[in-house]
Amino acid sequence: NAGVTQTPKFRVLKTGQSMTLLCAQDMNHEYMYWYRQDPGMGLRLIHYSVGEGTTAKGEVPDGYNVSRLKKQNFLLGLESAAPSQTSVYFCATRARGWDAQYFGPGTRLTVL
Amino acid sequence: SQELEQSPQSLIVQEGKNLTINCTSSKTLYGLYWYKQKYGEGLIFLMMLQKGGEEKSHEKITAKLDEKKQQSSLHITASQPSHAGIYLCGADSPGGTSYGKLTFGQGTILTVHP
Repeated sequence: NAGVTQTPKFRVLKTGQSMTLLCAQDMNHEYMYWYRQDPGMGLRLIHYSVGEGTTAKGEVPDGYNVSRLKKQNFLLGLESAAPSQTSVYFCATRARGWDAQYFGPGTRLTVL
Repeated sequence: SQELEQSPQSLIVQEGKNLTINCTSSKTLYGLYWYKQKYGEGLIFLMMLQKGGEEKSHEKITAKLDEKKQQSSLHITASQPSHAGIYLCGADSPGGTSYGKLTFGQGTILTVHP
């Protein structure tokens, strides 16, 4: 039972390159979330999904796209990376009803 | 929108000392969650509070939600170096709706000196 896993753990990109971050969960949770964490800014919600095939914008969606083709996977894409997207990215999941969000270990992304 | 303010922003204590971290909301809290984060790692869920006056404990950590449901505190008894990290509070949206999205405080950095 792995919980929430994120791939990759670290990545360095050059400005303009693209990449996809993968979040996978084995908890059968409906809701999934992508956050970024920056010093002094706290956790900010990028996009979220309330079920397979659905996505919605969070607080800071610009420059990112997401997809949830399978219930267990939530992908975060950067089409043209910018230095402002240097951050630590966390995925989280949550069951319906009263429950906590459960977080993955994070992906540290640097854009040069 | 709901805002959560944590205090203090950082805390340095000697091993064995007790400490308290506070989380104050601008609106009534419908679900309050405490997390711990070690540097470079993900957030670990500690405890969830829902009812006014509720109190939960796990090992040496006790979390409380006040009767008015606008403030929560996290108390650590006899702190140890293993307690060091960043503590964050998160809250459900007012009314408990909004697809499980949480608003987070800025975090409190705890350092415990041996």
